[in-house]
Amino acid sequence: SAVISQKPSRDICQRGTSLTIQCQVDSQVTMMFWYRQQPGQSLTLIATANQGSEATYESGFVIDKFPISRPNLTFSTLTVSNMSPEDSSIYLCSASDSRGYGYTFGSGTRLTVV
Amino acid sequence: AQSVTQLGSHVSVSEGALVLLRCNYSSSVPPYLFWYVQYPNQGLQLLLKYTTGATLVKGINGFEAEFKKSETSFHLTKPSAHMSDAAEYFCAVIYYGGSQGNLIFGKGTKLSVKP
Repeated sequence: SAVISQKPSRDICQRGTSLTIQCQVDSQVTMMFWYRQQPGQSLTLIATANQGSEATYESGFVIDKFPISRPNLTFSTLTVSNMSPEDSSIYLCSASDSRGYGYTFGSGTRLTVV
Repeated sequence: AQSVTQLGSHVSVSEGALVLLRCNYSSSVPPYLFWYVQYPNQGLQLLLKYTTGATLVKGINGFEAEFKKSETSFHLTKPSAHMSDAAEYFCAVIYYGGSQGNLIFGKGTKLSVKP
C-alpha cells in the first residue's frame, strides 16, 4: 500500500485566514480523497481529486471554501479558506490503488480555529 | 440511503477478554468492507479488508473479521484484548455502483481496555 505524508500535523489559525494542507504519496495513485473528521465524529468525504481534472465535491462542500489541487499523481493540497471556529476538525487525505481495493490515509491535520 | 451501522459507540473490555465490535451494512449487494483503527491524535490505519474470496479475513494486531452475507455483517473480533488495543475503530464500506473511492464510514466505536 502507498504511504502518505501529510503536513502540517496540526495548526492553530486565526479566524478569517486560510490554511493549505499538503499530502505527498510515495507512489503514483489514481485517486486521492479529502475527509473531514469533526470532534467526536466519524469521517465525511469532502471531495475526490483526480489528476488533470477538477475535484468532485460532496454535498455540503464547495470549491470556494475548500479549493483542491492535484498537479500530479503523487501530490494534492486542500485549502480551508476564510476559516471560522466551525472549521476546527481533523482533515485527512487518502489515496486508493487503481483497483479501488486499498485506501491508505495520511496521519491527519488537526486544525483549531480561534 | 446506503449506510454503515456500528452498534455501540463505546465498548469496554478487560485485558485478555474477547473483543467484539459490530458492523452492519445496508445493501442487498455485498460491498467491499474495511476496518480501520485510529489511535489518539493519529490518522487511520487499515486493520483488514474484505473484497472477495474467503469470508474470514485476518488483519494486523491479531484482529479478524467475518463477512456474513445473510446477516449483512462484518464484525471485528480479537480473542484476547491488550491494553494497546485501546483506540477508536471504524467500519467502512464501498458499494458497487457508487462513485469510486466513496468510502462510507460508520460512526466509530471507542474501545477501552481495563487492566
